[in-house]
Amino acid sequence: ETGVTQTPRHLVMGMTNKKSLKCEQHLGHNAMYWYKQSAKKPLELMFVYNFKEQTENNSVPSRFSPECPNSSHLFLHLHTLQPEDSALYLCASSQVGGFSSYEQYFGPGTRLTVT
Amino acid sequence: AQSVTQPDIHITVSEGASLELRCNYSYGATPYLFWYVQSPGQGLQLLLKYFSGDTLVQGIKGFEAEFKRSQSSFNLRKPSVHWSDAAEYFCAVGVDRGSTLGRLYFGRGTQLTVWP
Repeated sequence: ETGVTQTPRHLVMGMTNKKSLKCEQHLGHNAMYWYKQSAKKPLELMFVYNFKEQTENNSVPSRFSPECPNSSHLFLHLHTLQPEDSALYLCASSQVGGFSSYEQYFGPGTRLTVT
Repeated sequence: AQSVTQPDIHITVSEGASLELRCNYSYGATPYLFWYVQSPGQGLQLLLKYFSGDTLVQGIKGFEAEFKRSQSSFNLRKPSVHWSDAAEYFCAVGVDRGSTLGRLYFGRGTQLTVWP
């Protein structure tokens, strides 16, 4: 595997379900990010992890729970979601420090549909 | 506050024609600038970046962009578009947060359609 991978690619879940999204980066980076991409809206940064420590949570509802066990893996645990949470969830990674920290590399995303 | 504006929501060009996608930003300091491309069902792929130096930067797939400080712009260009360039294009500004990680602010994107 190369780059940033995400599983599953598609997920349909009911509002009472619990599911998890997984992201893995094979780039040797130490920062990882979760973004939400909804139709007609700019990308929304949700969470940022720097060397496994959460450094940013942009007022994301508690029904989204991130987990970063190490610098290569990032999870997003989902529970009791709402239909408006349907979106493409993108994971990204970058180096830490200097110009390279701005170069984010994205995974293919998980298309989430909440029914 | 920083912001990124992509004035064109949708652009249609004929294959072989030239392309220019516009991007304007609002940011008080020297910006770091990026263009990403997203094909249907895919994530964002970095096309090119500007940090400093030469204001005309070359990227992958034959794309280039020019940073114009006086106009707060970073327009993306390609001399001859191929059908495979049909995708959504995102401009982003990197903001220094005073920490070890920068922050990217994205525009809303421009959808490119290419006619055969």
